[in-house]
Amino acid sequence: QKEVEQDPGPLSVPEGAIVSLNCTYSNSAFQYFMWYRQYSRKGPELLMYTYSSGNKEDGRFTAQVDKSSKYISLFIRDSQPSDSATYLCAMKGNQGGKLIFGQGTELSVKP
Amino acid sequence: DTGVSQNPRHKITKRGQNVTFRCDPISEHNRLYWYRQTLGQGPEFLTYFQNEAQLEKSRLLSDRFSAERPKGSFSTLEIQRTEQGDSAMYLCASSLQGGWETQYFGPGTRLLVL
Repeated sequence: QKEVEQDPGPLSVPEGAIVSLNCTYSNSAFQYFMWYRQYSRKGPELLMYTYSSGNKEDGRFTAQVDKSSKYISLFIRDSQPSDSATYLCAMKGNQGGKLIFGQGTELSVKP
Repeated sequence: DTGVSQNPRHKITKRGQNVTFRCDPISEHNRLYWYRQTLGQGPEFLTYFQNEAQLEKSRLLSDRFSAERPKGSFSTLEIQRTEQGDSAMYLCASSLQGGWETQYFGPGTRLLVL
């Protein structure tokens, strides 16, 4: 079993829809949780960063962490065609800096 | 551009050849990471440096792989005797140790081993 599980999709939604992306994890030592966006043939770009449990909002994006359930989510409101990309969840513990990534969810927002 | 840069962006090689990739991190960042990403998968950690010291290596990093970061600046990743299974995107990231320690990724080097 992988440490981080993420549904690979693909996920296709109409423009303006609310998108929900999720990851589950097994390692209770994870304390830092991130969402990266990766366009085709590009490097990952950091979108959101949260520590421990709780919610964080940035514009159209909201990240949620539920450590008791070992579950993290990213919500995208009013989705745009430019949001079409692969979304990667990533996490790490307090020791060392290496990130453990999910498989990535491919999102397509149709105009 | 003051982001992470990687060269070359693409590399095609024949099985058995050696290849070397270079990563130039953001100048003030003291940590540098290498990841490998295959099609349809998330990046997998390979190794990381704090300044010039290599602090951790993944079991994925076989004896054919070696990484260096002389003088704590740029880093190179060398793959000896390449195999078709080495075909992947090799990503470099850098960060400033401490606090949130956000990792910023470069554009990657895409390797194809024929």
